[in-house]
Amino acid sequence: GAVVSQHPSWVICKSGTSVKIECRSLDFQATTMFWYRQFPKQSLMLMATSNEGSKATYEQGVEKDKFLINHASLTLSTLTVTSAHPEDSSFYICSAQTTGGTNSYEQYFGPGTRLTVT
Amino acid sequence: KQEVTQIPAALSVPEGENLVLNCSFTDSAIYNLQWFRQDPGKGLTSLLLIQSSQREQTSGRLNASLDKSSGRSTLYIAASQPGDSATYLCAVSAHKLSFGAGTTVTVRA
Repeated sequence: GAVVSQHPSWVICKSGTSVKIECRSLDFQATTMFWYRQFPKQSLMLMATSNEGSKATYEQGVEKDKFLINHASLTLSTLTVTSAHPEDSSFYICSAQTTGGTNSYEQYFGPGTRLTVT
Repeated sequence: KQEVTQIPAALSVPEGENLVLNCSFTDSAIYNLQWFRQDPGKGLTSLLLIQSSQREQTSGRLNASLDKSSGRSTLYIAASQPGDSATYLCAVSAHKLSFGAGTTVTVRA
């Protein structure tokens, strides 16, 4: 149980275009999802916290107009990288948080999306 | 702000040796602590989760301890195998996860 999927697993786009990444919790409901970015040989950095039905909370230094997050349902959150530039090339990972039970606040991670902007 | 530190940054051992990975954190007000494994270019695989009220968790050859008061956790991997080669990440949770930089492990056959 507690499976999280991401789509696409990798994407190449041209500079100036927008890319949407989907994060789905397949077998549980998640009121909260998180988006992380990981640069090569570095750890995960939290970009934003996404709550179902409300606006996302962005970490300091993350441009909310560039990284649009929508959490329209309890099983789906999307991250759209708008007007992508080569410096946005990175590994984007989402996670979904359980809403209760013995493993409250445990986050389950998706497999990641490799974005390359040319 | 929570700071998570992992020592060592890299570790290379011969097959069969036990592995000891250390994690320290500055703010003890946490919900839980998780250990993850990450293979190159891949996502995270959760290994163990220790709730703040627990002292340790075990799964197969893996054992993780938590000393919340001193802000420390240790991951032990017994009888290492080449397939254990990966980066191991420690993360503490208090509304959001704070990750350490990871320990990259190489187990030599």
